[in-house]
Amino acid sequence: EAQVTQNPRYLITVTGKKLTVTCSQNMNHEYMSWYRQDPGLGLRQIYYSMNVEVTDKGDVPEGYKVSRKEKRNFPLILESPSPNQTSLYFCASSPTLTGGNGYTFGSGTRLTVV
Amino acid sequence: AQKITQTQPGMFVQEKEAVTLDCTYDTSDQSYGLFWYKQPSSGEMIFLIYQGSYDEQNATEGRYSLNFQKARKSANLVISASQLGDSAMYFCAMREGPGLTGGGNKLTFGTGTQLKVEL
Repeated sequence: EAQVTQNPRYLITVTGKKLTVTCSQNMNHEYMSWYRQDPGLGLRQIYYSMNVEVTDKGDVPEGYKVSRKEKRNFPLILESPSPNQTSLYFCASSPTLTGGNGYTFGSGTRLTVV
Repeated sequence: AQKITQTQPGMFVQEKEAVTLDCTYDTSDQSYGLFWYKQPSSGEMIFLIYQGSYDEQNATEGRYSLNFQKARKSANLVISASQLGDSAMYFCAMREGPGLTGGGNKLTFGTGTQLKVEL
C-alpha cells in the first residue's frame, strides 16, 4: 500500500530535550515536506526537499532541522524543543510533477512540549 | 496578504442538506492547482477534490463538487446531501506553479472551516 509513515503518532517531551520525528514514504517520490498545524492558522510548511541532499526552508523553519540522506526518509529534528513547538505535524510527499491526488500525507504527529 | 482565505470558521448544516464552504485565493501565477482536504477528529488529512487552473469544467467527486470561478478567484466546495460523517474540519489549499521546480510543490492552506452536520 502506498503510504507515508510518520512516527511517533503522539509525543510528550520536555523543553530542551532533542527529538526526531521520522517520515518514510514507499512511493519513490522526489518531493517531501513537513507542515505544522496550529488552531486558527491552518497548515504551514516548515521545510521541504526536492530530492536527496536537497532541502530548503519553508515558511516557519525556525527551531527545526531536516535531512534527506535517502529518497524515502525525511526526518524532522527539533534540537531544543520549546513549548511554542507544541503542534500537530504532518509529513507529505509527492512526485516532482504533480496535480490532483498526487500528494500523500502521513497520519500526523501530535507533539506536546512541556 | 493571505493567499488562501476561508472566511467561515464554523458552519452547521442539517443532514441531507447541501452546504457550500467558501474559499478564495490570491495568486499571480497562470498555472496553479486548488485542493480541498477533510480532517476528521482523528486528525488525518483526507484528499477530497482537485481543480487545475486550466480545467474548464468544475471538478466533481461523488457528493463533492468544486465551484471554480476563476475571475473571482474562488474555489468553493459544495457537499451535497450532507451526512453525519461529514462533520470535520475542511481545508482549502493551493499549489502555485506547475510543480516543476523549487518550492513549486508547496501547498498553501487556508485556516479551515469546521463543519458540523446535525440531525
